[in-house]
Amino acid sequence: SYVLTQPPSVSVAPGQTARITCGGNNIGSKSVHWYQQKPGQAPVLVVYDDSDRPSGIPERFSGSNSGNTATLTISRVEAGDEADYYCQVWDSLYVFGTGTKVTVL
Amino acid sequence: QVQLQESGPGLVKPSQTLSLTCTVSGGSISSGDYYWSWIRQPPGKGLEWIGYIYYSGSTYYNPSLKSRVTISVDTSKNQFSLKLSSVTAADTAVYYCARARIAAAGPFDYWGQGTLVTVSS
Repeated sequence: SYVLTQPPSVSVAPGQTARITCGGNNIGSKSVHWYQQKPGQAPVLVVYDDSDRPSGIPERFSGSNSGNTATLTISRVEAGDEADYYCQVWDSLYVFGTGTKVTVL
Repeated sequence: QVQLQESGPGLVKPSQTLSLTCTVSGGSISSGDYYWSWIRQPPGKGLEWIGYIYYSGSTYYNPSLKSRVTISVDTSKNQFSLKLSSVTAADTAVYYCARARIAAAGPFDYWGQGTLVTVSS
């Protein structure tokens, strides 16, 4: 089965840039979607199709995908960005990444 | 604005069947553009896709759960439902319903708020 590997945690100071990676075999050939999940809440789509943003999502959230790694980048990080982030692809079934906890210092 | 809302018992006994319903509002479940899914998240853990249904009734399940899962749809009520049989403590989780765009393996763009189901005697 297809595995998506994310770092368990990323720490970043306010105003800096957070980069969250999602590793998978030839993931560059797939459409990658990213979700933000705050405690006690449902996941929210923040980036889809590698690099598109749903309406209402700040431009600070961006994505890229190439080779064996997809990346979610959060620029000018704010305290409200503290959350768990999951990548997701379709590979004969819907697969989610292991999740990354972003801590704002 | 599409909204999804899960409903069902919050406590299920081991070996019994978990049953949940997702009610969709603000959009038709009969739209041909989307799959309607169930996803779960054990406490403190990650997300696991359970399966989806198309408005026509065709289904596709996660192979790891396929033997125990049934998803059905009631287009007249704009609802779809999940049944998970022979539950154990390992099935304790927050269960979400969600919508996914079919084209080009699209994302889950709308989610329900989730409902916690505890398996315990």
